[in-house]
Formats: sequence, structure tokens, C-alpha cells
Amino acid sequence: EIVMTQSPATLSVSPGERATLSCRASQSVSNNLAWYQQKPGQAPRLLVYGAFTRATGLPARFSGSGSGTEFILTITSLQSEDFAVYYCQQYADWPITFGQGTRLEIK
Amino acid sequence: QVQLVQSGAEVKKPGASVKVSCKASGYTFTSHGISWVRQAPGQGLEWMGWISAYKGHTNYAQKLQGRVTMTTDTSTSTAYMELRNLRSDDTAVYYCARDGASGWFEPWGQGTLVTVSS
Repeated sequence: EIVMTQSPATLSVSPGERATLSCRASQSVSNNLAWYQQKPGQAPRLLVYGAFTRATGLPARFSGSGSGTEFILTITSLQSEDFAVYYCQQYADWPITFGQGTRLEIK
Repeated sequence: QVQLVQSGAEVKKPGASVKVSCKASGYTFTSHGISWVRQAPGQGLEWMGWISAYKGHTNYAQKLQGRVTMTTDTSTSTAYMELRNLRSDDTAVYYCARDGASGWFEPWGQGTLVTVSS
């Protein structure tokens, strides 16, 4: 199976600053990569699919990039509501796999 | 709007079975597959499997093969996930999620907490 590795495990950033979250696949997934945000007690929410396509209604401060094995989720001008756990997911091949998550916390 | 509504929390004893439902609305049920994902307390997301709402084809995670069955009822636009021979490490929140065009998930159900305890 394709192993997804996210880094860092925890990222501390001040409101208004930029956050850069990384996701690496153990083999190429082309651009079959999605990002999700999860807040405590809530279901995950789709942010990005196809590595860089924003989900409907997602603010432009969220952007995804990368292809193959290396992917980045960038959040500019962090707002209080952005502090959450973020997961990447590959859907290039069965079984579908997720990264272990990056916790974005307020510095 | 597109919505998935899941059944309520369950408490089961080891060795028992649980069946979680996921009722879809706001879209043509047979046009999308449904995946099931679980999340143990304080842990990450684990994909359990997928079912085509159109033909009922399934693809299960290898570690759950033989214990999990996913079905759909197109007359009520409802998907079901049954997990048998429950163990304590099956304690988790179980989510259903609609498959996008290629395998991303949107939206997700609200989650169903399944607790396995003697």
C-alpha cells in the first residue's frame, strides 16, 4: 500500500502568518491527492482535491501544490478558525490511505 | 444540499456485531460511491472500504476482510456498514463519506461512535 507521511506532526504558527504543511507519498500518486481539515468533535472537511483544486467555498488563503510524491498545503494569513488537524489522502490506488495528520496550533 | 446522516452511537460487547447506517440526501444516490472511514480515539483516519451505490461492488481494506460488509438500499438512499466479531480496538468513530469523481470524500457524515467494551 502507499504510505503517506506528513510533516511536521505539530506546527505552531501565529495568527496572520503563513503555515506550510507537507505530505509525502511512498510512491507516485500523480495528482490524486486530497487535503482535509478536522476540528475537535467534527467530521473531516474536504479542502483540496486533485492536489491543487480548492473545494467549493474554500477561502483563497488555502492552496495546494505538488505532484508525484511531494505535496504542500499552504495557508496564508492564518485565522483563528484555521487551527485544526490537517490530513492528506491519496486516492491513486487501493487501499486509499491517509497521512497521520499535522496539528496546526496557535503560537 | 448534499448531506449524509448517520445512525446513533452504539455500545457493544466483544464478539458482537454492529451495523451503522448512512442516509444520503440532496443528490442522486446511485451516482456516487460511499466510503467508510474510522477514527480511533485520539488517532488518525483509517479507510475501511468502498461501495458502489449503483451496482453494489465493494472494495474492503485487507485488515477488515471477512469481518466487514458494506451494502446499500437504493430505495431509501441509505448505505450500511456492518462489522462483526467486534474487539476493543474497534472502538472508534465511524464515518461515511460520499466519493467524489475520483476518490476524494465530500461530504462526510457526522460520525457514529461505536464503543466495544465488556
